[in-house]
Amino acid sequence: QVQLVVSGGGVVQPGRSLRLSCAASGFTFSNYVMYWVRQSPGKGLESVAVISYDGNNKYYADSVKGRFTISRDNSKNTLYLQMNSLTTDDMAVYYCAKVRVERWFYGLDVWGQGTTVTVSS
Amino acid sequence: DIVMTQTPLSVSVTPGQPASISCKSSQSLLHSDGKTYLYWYLQKPGQPPQLLIYEVSNRFSGVPYRFSGSGSGTDFTLKISRVEAEDVGVYYCMETLHQRGSFGQGTKLEIK
Repeated sequence: QVQLVVSGGGVVQPGRSLRLSCAASGFTFSNYVMYWVRQSPGKGLESVAVISYDGNNKYYADSVKGRFTISRDNSKNTLYLQMNSLTTDDMAVYYCAKVRVERWFYGLDVWGQGTTVTVSS
Repeated sequence: DIVMTQTPLSVSVTPGQPASISCKSSQSLLHSDGKTYLYWYLQKPGQPPQLLIYEVSNRFSGVPYRFSGSGSGTDFTLKISRVEAEDVGVYYCMETLHQRGSFGQGTKLEIK
């Protein structure tokens, strides 16, 4: 079945970096737009970064632009989020999610279980 | 960015009674392809969000018939015809007209 397994979260000091991974299975990963969505403690959902199915187009929230980089390796069925210069504002559960229909920015139908990023000295 | 505004922010419902959540966008979500990129999600405690409704009014696979979506342009509504205990959680609307997408603040549904 369709599955997204997120890894890479943990505790990191302010200003340091972390890379999240999202391993996909059960669908043709290379045909789908993918999202990273985060949820700060007790807060709502924020779309952090989006990448087109071929990796050629990327979109970022203003809050992470210039610090975070979304990428994908379609040969490994894996999505990444490189997070640099982390601050306490980046503390959240990070989810990856796939869109419902191939090749366009449709709604998100399958979500990974999420990984927690804690920024603390 | 498109701003999504949900009302109310919380609702308490007696089982068997209806519930309604409104979502308003700061601009029309109608794309030139004729689709309206508005979605509804439910996040149950301790879980990732799950898709309920796609493109305004289409129930996703496995979603009970008591959930329905309606609206157009900038005004949208999620209705639950008869609330059940398993419907508790936070409901979010989301647009993807602009590729990155944006979510409403969420509406917490509790059972009386």
